[in-house]
Amino acid sequence: GENVEQHPSTLSVQEGDSAVIKCTYSDSASNYFPWYKQELGKRPQLIIDIRSNVGEKKDQRIAVTLNKTAKHFSLHITETQPEDSAVYFCAARGNQAGTALIFGKGTTLSVSS
Amino acid sequence: GAVVSQHPSWVICKSGTSVKIECRSLDFQATTMFWYRQFPKQSLMLMATSNEGSKATYEQGVEKDKFLINHASLTLSTLTVTSAHPEDSSFYICSAPTVSNQPQHFGDGTRLSIL
Repeated sequence: GENVEQHPSTLSVQEGDSAVIKCTYSDSASNYFPWYKQELGKRPQLIIDIRSNVGEKKDQRIAVTLNKTAKHFSLHITETQPEDSAVYFCAARGNQAGTALIFGKGTTLSVSS
Repeated sequence: GAVVSQHPSWVICKSGTSVKIECRSLDFQATTMFWYRQFPKQSLMLMATSNEGSKATYEQGVEKDKFLINHASLTLSTLTVTSAHPEDSSFYICSAPTVSNQPQHFGDGTRLSIL
């Protein structure tokens, strides 16, 4: 089955700096890669996703890149703000109906002002 | 707004009690729903895939007799934690895709505390 590795587990940056979180996946059949932000005690919130036919996707301060050959994808947050502080999870999923997301272990991002 | 409704949001009960958690899809039919468990400061771990009208598929290491899943309709899946013990205390969260191969929508989760 799919295995997703995520690094780093914790990340501390100064406000305004960029933050990068990296993930690798094992199943070459996976073709959907979302990123979630989770605040304490709440459900994960989808912040951006990318499919395997795209190499990069951007939404304002957030971007995701995908390298299918190397089976890794990354989340980039620019101009970080204190409200970006949260736990971020990457995930991967295949394209078969009924396939669940498999999550990385998460990255705790702390943005200090 | 939320497209997956999960109840209850918080349960505190005594050891040995069975607890039922409901997950409803709103405004769409879900032939498949997924149940995850999240321990404090850990990731979401897939427990099982709930299939409407058929048996659930459990992940390795998840006891099917302890975590009973019923998906009797296209809008409702239930997870029953039978004879719960303190080690079952966790955050349980369900999710479902609106359409196959589309983003999964998550319920708000259920925080289960067994005393």
